[in-house]
Amino acid sequence: AQSVTQLDSHVSVSEGTPVLLRCNYSSSYSPSLFWYVQHPNKGLQLLLKYTSAATLVKGINGFEAEFKKRETSFHLTKPSAHMSDAAEYFCVVTFSGGSNYNLTFGKGTLLTVNP
Amino acid sequence: DAGITQSPRHKVTETGTPVTLRCHQTENHRYMYWYRQDPGHGLRLIHYSYGVKDTDKGEVSDGYSVSRSKTEDFLLTLESATSSQTSVYFCAISESRVGANVLTFGAGSRLTVL
Repeated sequence: AQSVTQLDSHVSVSEGTPVLLRCNYSSSYSPSLFWYVQHPNKGLQLLLKYTSAATLVKGINGFEAEFKKRETSFHLTKPSAHMSDAAEYFCVVTFSGGSNYNLTFGKGTLLTVNP
Repeated sequence: DAGITQSPRHKVTETGTPVTLRCHQTENHRYMYWYRQDPGHGLRLIHYSYGVKDTDKGEVSDGYSVSRSKTEDFLLTLESATSSQTSVYFCAISESRVGANVLTFGAGSRLTVL
């Protein structure tokens, strides 16, 4: 069994300040974890993925996430928010080696960036 | 969204009418998926395909059917649309079924059932 919880449904930051989007997971097996971003009226785009290699994962547009097994977390961070980062972000879990039929999506976190 | 085209992008229909959504890919990927996205629910898998004429049910398949007669096309049909099927539908593709393999999503089809 697996599940994912995005701890904030909405996060608001000012441009130039750090971004933190929180994700906790549970999985009976070693997990594979992903962050996807969805801009308004667009499909989802992969930001980054963790698949049991380095625990600190770097993605596109300056985002990164750290896999913390003991805390069962995979939080997404960015040092300095840009207006173009305003979007909805989804944390996704499956088990390592599992199929794409078994992806579990979080409910999403809407990121607002204020000028 | 390069390589995946969904049609129609927007549709308004009435309860009880049939609706077909089309997903067309030019990537020659074997695996295709239909998801629905609803506020507060994230994405939920409706059906998926692992080859021509090979399909299976996902988490929320009731009221939906699919067909895949060609590698590039995956059709989602609502035989008799209901208001609970008002949603945004996303098609996705992947080269392999393994979870570490990235999904590529289409731009979505917004369906409103009155």
